Amino acid sequence: NAGVTQTPKFRVLKTGQSMTLLCAQDMNHEYMYWYRQDPGMGLRLIHYSVGEGTTAKGEVPDGYNVSRLKKQNFLLGLESAAPSQTSVYFCASSYSDLTDTQYFGPGTRLTVL
Amino acid sequence: AQKVTQAQTEISVVEKEDVTLDCVYETRDTTYYLFWYKQPPSGELVFLIRRNSFDEQNEISGRYSWNFQKSTSSFNFTITASQVVDSAVYFCASPGDAGNMLTFGGGTRLMVKP
Repeated sequence: NAGVTQTPKFRVLKTGQSMTLLCAQDMNHEYMYWYRQDPGMGLRLIHYSVGEGTTAKGEVPDGYNVSRLKKQNFLLGLESAAPSQTSVYFCASSYSDLTDTQYFGPGTRLTVL
Repeated sequence: AQKVTQAQTEISVVEKEDVTLDCVYETRDTTYYLFWYKQPPSGELVFLIRRNSFDEQNEISGRYSWNFQKSTSSFNFTITASQVVDSAVYFCASPGDAGNMLTFGGGTRLMVKP
């Protein structure tokens, strides 16, 4: 089992460019999450999904969109990147709700110039 | 838990020393869950333990042990005979008030020197 994988591992964007981060899990988990980690701010939830076809906003959703067309995939999109979105992005998944253990992907380091 | 606090931002020890990382939580709930994660220098987040509020037994896994005390609202993590490979940032976490967020403490950076 690969667990949770994220693509790409690193990316540099210019302000205004768009991109999509891909998260995939092979554990048949229902719940999936996108977090960002910034120095001094800890981990903050961007969006999450409680099942295929569903998405919901987290703590810091502005500037991001997500889609969960397949159970195993959770995509995070940046339509018009801004320097404030420079961060490390983590995807996570869990079998059920927040009381269950979340397993994290390796992270994507994004720099927006 | 509504809030998770890790007061120790950085700890430095010499290899083979024992070290305890503190985690204090605040909650109005009778049922709650607590987690510990490790983030080594490579950056990934590694799950260490999950504990629910009904189970106050201490947990031991090799050199790692966890002390859950409801009386002091703490869920502390001890590494016995620390090793350089234990150097990492350790996070305590718990589902937050909103019901859709895992609230993380600020993390404790542990540096184990040879």
